[in-house]
Amino acid sequence: DIQMTQSPSSLSASVGDRVTITCRASQSISSYVNWYQQKPGKAPKVLIYAASSFQSGVPLRFSGSGSGTVFTLTISSLQPEDFATYYCQQSYSARSTFGGGTRVEIK
Amino acid sequence: EVQLVQSGAEVKEPGESLRISCKGSGYNFSNYWITWVRQMPGKGLEWMGRIDPSDSDTHYSPSFQGHVTISADKSISTAYLHWSSLKASDSAMYYCARIRRYSSIPWFDPWGQGTLVTVSS
Repeated sequence: DIQMTQSPSSLSASVGDRVTITCRASQSISSYVNWYQQKPGKAPKVLIYAASSFQSGVPLRFSGSGSGTVFTLTISSLQPEDFATYYCQQSYSARSTFGGGTRVEIK
Repeated sequence: EVQLVQSGAEVKEPGESLRISCKGSGYNFSNYWITWVRQMPGKGLEWMGRIDPSDSDTHYSPSFQGHVTISADKSISTAYLHWSSLKASDSAMYYCARIRRYSSIPWFDPWGQGTLVTVSS
């Protein structure tokens, strides 16, 4: 299976900070990466698909980039409602896999 | 509004069977694959498998193959996840999601609200 290594596993940040989360794939996967946000007790929801495409309704402070093996999710100015866990996902393989998650906490 | 609504929480004993459901609405259920994802307590997301409701073609993660069965009834827009013999290690939250595609790149949207399964003697 394709492994997705996500870093950091957790971070503390303040409102207004720029935050970057990285995902590395164990092989080249073109742009077959999606990013999800999960808040405690809730189902995940998609933020970015196909590495850099915005899901309708998602604030524009969220952006994605990358291709091949390295991908990033950036939050340009962290807001109180953004404190959550974020997951990357590869959908290149028929057997999809997720990164381990990044928990974003309040500093 | 496109929605997936899952069945309620379940408490079962080891060895019992269980089927949980995921009902789609607001779209043509047959036109989109459905996937299932496990989340164990305090842990990350694990892809289990998917089904094409139009013909019930399925594909499983090797980690779950043989232990669960995914099925669907397109006449009532519902997908199912079935265990014939539960283990304590099956205790987890289970999510269904619709698979969408953009230029052949799949992603999961929307997700159901989740079904909590607790297996304990």
